Amino acid sequence: DIQMTQSPSTLSASVGDRVTITCRASQGINNWLAWYQQKPGKAPKLLIYKTSSLQSGVPSRFSGSGSGTEFTLTISSLQPDDFATYYCQQYDIYPYIFGQGTELDIK
Amino acid sequence: VQLVESGGGLTQPGGSLRLSCAASGFSVSANYMTWVRQAPGKGPEWVAVLYSGGSIYYTDSVKGRFTISRDNSKNTLYLQMNRLRAEDTAIYYCARTDSSGFFDVWGQGTPVTVSS
Repeated sequence: DIQMTQSPSTLSASVGDRVTITCRASQGINNWLAWYQQKPGKAPKLLIYKTSSLQSGVPSRFSGSGSGTEFTLTISSLQPDDFATYYCQQYDIYPYIFGQGTELDIK
Repeated sequence: VQLVESGGGLTQPGGSLRLSCAASGFSVSANYMTWVRQAPGKGPEWVAVLYSGGSIYYTDSVKGRFTISRDNSKNTLYLQMNRLRAEDTAIYYCARTDSSGFFDVWGQGTPVTVSS
């Protein structure tokens, strides 16, 4: 199985900060990578697919990049609604695997 | 566009449950549909997918125990779970799945607890 490793596991930041979350795959995944945001008690919400494509309705402060085995999610200017847990997911090969998550909290 | 899961609950190890996922605003049969679960405090875990054409794939840990299916007339996805284990305890989500593999619409989830 492909392993997905996110870093950091937790991130403390302030409103207005620029933050970056990294996701590393144990092998190449042909850029088949998605990012999700999850808030407590809620289902994950799709933010980014195919590494850098922004899902409809998602604010443009979210962006994704990367290639090969290393990928990043960047939030350009944190808003209060962005404090949540973020997961990456590879969908190149079954079983599809999620990262362990990055919890973004308020500094 | 909405997905609503039901059928979760408490059962003993070795027991069975059938989860349902009722869709509105789109056709289950015309889309890839996936079950994803999330154990307490853990990241999501892909469980099973049903293609619009009928192909099915499962994660290894549920093969032979879980069955994904759909009822086109009811526009509903199902997950039959047999021989349940403590490690199957999780919130189970259904998700509409792009043909490439990402999940663009999620239900609210239904909790499953396997405990004696």
